[in-house]
Amino acid sequence: SQQGEEDPQALSIQEGENATMNCSYKTSINNLQWYRQNSGRGLVHLILIRSNEREKHSGRLRVTLDTSKKSSSLLITASRAADTASYFCATARGSSASKIIFGSGTRLSIRP
Amino acid sequence: DGGITQSPKYLFRKEGQNVTLSCEQNLNHDAMYWYRQDPGQGLRLIYYSQIVNDFQKGDIAEGYSVSREKKESFPLTVTSAQKNPTAFYLCASSIGWGVDNEQFFGPGTRLTVL
Repeated sequence: SQQGEEDPQALSIQEGENATMNCSYKTSINNLQWYRQNSGRGLVHLILIRSNEREKHSGRLRVTLDTSKKSSSLLITASRAADTASYFCATARGSSASKIIFGSGTRLSIRP
Repeated sequence: DGGITQSPKYLFRKEGQNVTLSCEQNLNHDAMYWYRQDPGQGLRLIYYSQIVNDFQKGDIAEGYSVSREKKESFPLTVTSAQKNPTAFYLCASSIGWGVDNEQFFGPGTRLTVL
């Protein structure tokens, strides 16, 4: 089964609103990454948060990590049409990249 | 999509045929990966290579083969032994092998079996 599971599976919001996506995982991790995928394209790395960090910011992105609850959230503020994409969390269970597990993603749609 | 390219973008295969998907990077990255993505699913690791002339099986290697003769190239062959090959295939690379390394993805190849 997938290590990281995103919630919700799909999200539709009005342009300008904030979008929040969640990722839950089952076992302890070294870090957690968020990626974006535009339809039919490759993934683009957004942000990495380590297990000893609680919050990280990058532009309009805010990521939190709660290791006690084994969950992370990605907040996109002031959403834009260009934010329409699928967002994936990827958890790293061990020290090697072969242990990175991608979730099934949240499909975000921004309505104009 | 940065400095990593995949070709072709679309590929059609008849049952029983082997096909090879190309992946090239000019980022001077040591590590390269192949993932498979099915509709509505996350990525699953097929094969990975930590360094040139070395590669290891991922979670779903059966029916696939790879080579890493050059640092910049990591072709994936989908053999006739792969029973359900229709999927979106993504190649990625990273500067190193550790989990803190960001992976850079190519644009993907969509393979359809006719």
